[in-house]
Amino acid sequence: EPEVTQTPSHQVTQMGQEVILRCVPISNHLYFYWYRQILGQKVEFLVSFYNNEISEKSEIFDDQFSVERPDGSNFTLKIRSTKLEDSAMYFCASSVGTPKQYFGPGTRLTVT
Amino acid sequence: SQQGEEDPQALSIQEGENATMNCSYKTSINNLQWYRQNSGRGLVHLILIRSNEREKHSGRLRVTLDTSKKSSSLLITASRAADTASYFCATDGGNSGGSNYKLTFGKGTLLTVNP
Repeated sequence: EPEVTQTPSHQVTQMGQEVILRCVPISNHLYFYWYRQILGQKVEFLVSFYNNEISEKSEIFDDQFSVERPDGSNFTLKIRSTKLEDSAMYFCASSVGTPKQYFGPGTRLTVT
Repeated sequence: SQQGEEDPQALSIQEGENATMNCSYKTSINNLQWYRQNSGRGLVHLILIRSNEREKHSGRLRVTLDTSKKSSSLLITASRAADTASYFCATDGGNSGGSNYKLTFGKGTLLTVNP
């Protein structure tokens, strides 16, 4: 069965540094999402993306965040200047346009 | 508002027993889904129920939805040790243009099935 993949599995960075989290959605999917889960808390929606533009974003997704689909397969989340509170598990998801979403295994981001 | 609150927060049962988890939500929804997450891993979709449906089955899973009470339950029958995981409900309020679905998750129930 096709899977969403994410790299790296774990990223450690210093406060103020830029990080790029990478995702390869399922190939025939057109809708892409980023969610995050701070340890012990709920999974939170960050942003949705379709047709090369943001469809919706949450209040968490401020100017420090950006998303891009640089080619036909990758979907990236960039955090420009990381803060300690950005430490979380970041999940990429994709769908064909139904409510059911396919999630990747996540990238654990640790900001020190 | 806090959408998608599950209870109990943790549930420990013996293999072979049934496990019931509940989810409540506050705003109107179009769909409610249940996802499973093994420790430190991604979320796996289990089952979806639409707002005009009351009950759905899939294998050992049974989900009910009561829109008047804004609540749902997930029943796992004849549980196995491999069912040990966290279970989350996720709601969506429908399209925000096109087929984009923003999911709102609850805090989850940690299910432990003891062999």
